[in-house]
Amino acid sequence: QVQLVESGGGVVQPGGSLRLSCAASGMTFSSYGMHWVRQAPGKGLDWVVVISHGGSRADYADSAKGRFTISRDNSKNMLYLQMNSLRAEDTAVYYCVNGRAGNYYELDVWGQGTTVIVSS
Amino acid sequence: DIQMTQSPSSLSASVGDRVTITCRSSQTINFYLNWYQQKPGKAPELLIYTASSLENGVPSRFSGSGSGTDFTLTISGLQPEDFATYYCQQSYSPPLTFGGGTRVDIK
Repeated sequence: QVQLVESGGGVVQPGGSLRLSCAASGMTFSSYGMHWVRQAPGKGLDWVVVISHGGSRADYADSAKGRFTISRDNSKNMLYLQMNSLRAEDTAVYYCVNGRAGNYYELDVWGQGTTVIVSS
Repeated sequence: DIQMTQSPSSLSASVGDRVTITCRSSQTINFYLNWYQQKPGKAPELLIYTASSLENGVPSRFSGSGSGTDFTLTISGLQPEDFATYYCQQSYSPPLTFGGGTRVDIK
């Protein structure tokens, strides 16, 4: 059974940085594209970024370009999101999600999420 | 970017009702449309992918249809556990985008 466990969330001041991690188990991690999707309090779902299974390609939402960096370590079954220059509007629950095998833009299994609060 | 528009934004229904939610994309996405269910305080779950394929373990009362720009999620015989928020999402091309969500409440 696929399990994705996020960590690293917390409270950070505007302009600060945070690194989120996602530990994957129950799957051949290196075979799947992986995503971060976020949800601001009381709002809808907002896709942030995807990384290909090998890590060679990443696509970002405009809101994340230049500030966020996704990476993965397939030897450790780990996904990361480095977030810099954080803004109040980045406050959200951040979900780690694996893409489906047939089309990794389809969002298959979701983690439980980790909460990021950007506030002074 | 491809814009996704869901309607209605909320609806009230009774157990046993047939419920239909629509999703429209701002440009053609063929059949690259997925539906998710989210219950309060929980992560979303994939219900339907590529417009009409039911994810493993999802009850057959859920069905999806459509192609091009217009899509529909139907729940045939609403059950108490179906009261939730539903989102559509295009998987045609990044940036991936979601509809605004449809909240299904108990009438």
